[in-house]
Amino acid sequence: NAGVTQTPKFRILKIGQSMTLQCTQDMNHNYMYWYRQDPGMGLKLIYYSVGAGITDKGEVPNGYNVSRSTTEDFPLRLELAAPSQTSVYFCASSQGGVGTEAFFGQGTRLTVV
Amino acid sequence: KNEVEQSPQNLTAQEGEFITINCSYSVGISALHWLQQHPGGGIVSLFMLSSGKKKHGRLIATINIQEKHSSLHITASHPRDSAVYICAGPNTGNQFYFGTGTSLTVIP
Repeated sequence: NAGVTQTPKFRILKIGQSMTLQCTQDMNHNYMYWYRQDPGMGLKLIYYSVGAGITDKGEVPNGYNVSRSTTEDFPLRLELAAPSQTSVYFCASSQGGVGTEAFFGQGTRLTVV
Repeated sequence: KNEVEQSPQNLTAQEGEFITINCSYSVGISALHWLQQHPGGGIVSLFMLSSGKKKHGRLIATINIQEKHSSLHITASHPRDSAVYICAGPNTGNQFYFGTGTSLTVIP
């Protein structure tokens, strides 16, 4: 039972480069989330989706884009990477939103140099 | 000020000790989640509770919605319990208010 799978686990980007963080869940969950976690700080919501074709901004969406073409996949796109985007990124999913149990991926540690 | 405050921020305990981590929140929430983040970085959901108490193995979580307070207890702590424990409360906008976490180290 894979749960929530994120790739890659680690990545180093140069300033101005772009990349896509992949997130896939096999639990048929409607809700999916992208968070970032900076050192010593709590998780902050970047984007979330309540179902295929529907996405919405969270607390810190600037510099990121998402899409949700299928229930399973929720990729996060970084355009023009900046040092401020150095962080650990977590994807999560839940069946019924934040009032139900959340399942997290293993995280992607991104460094922008 | 964070909507969700945790204490202590850091905690070191001897193996076998009883541990309590507290979570207080200033906003109205219907339920509260406790998460565990392992040293390797992965996050696991421990509990979601909206009233009373839940127990899973050596972990016990309690919540008092009226007092806006929740506690996570670990009985007979073990070095493998060393992790960051995070409480989170859902708002009405499909988002969480996250605490900044309590870093627990259990020494053998």
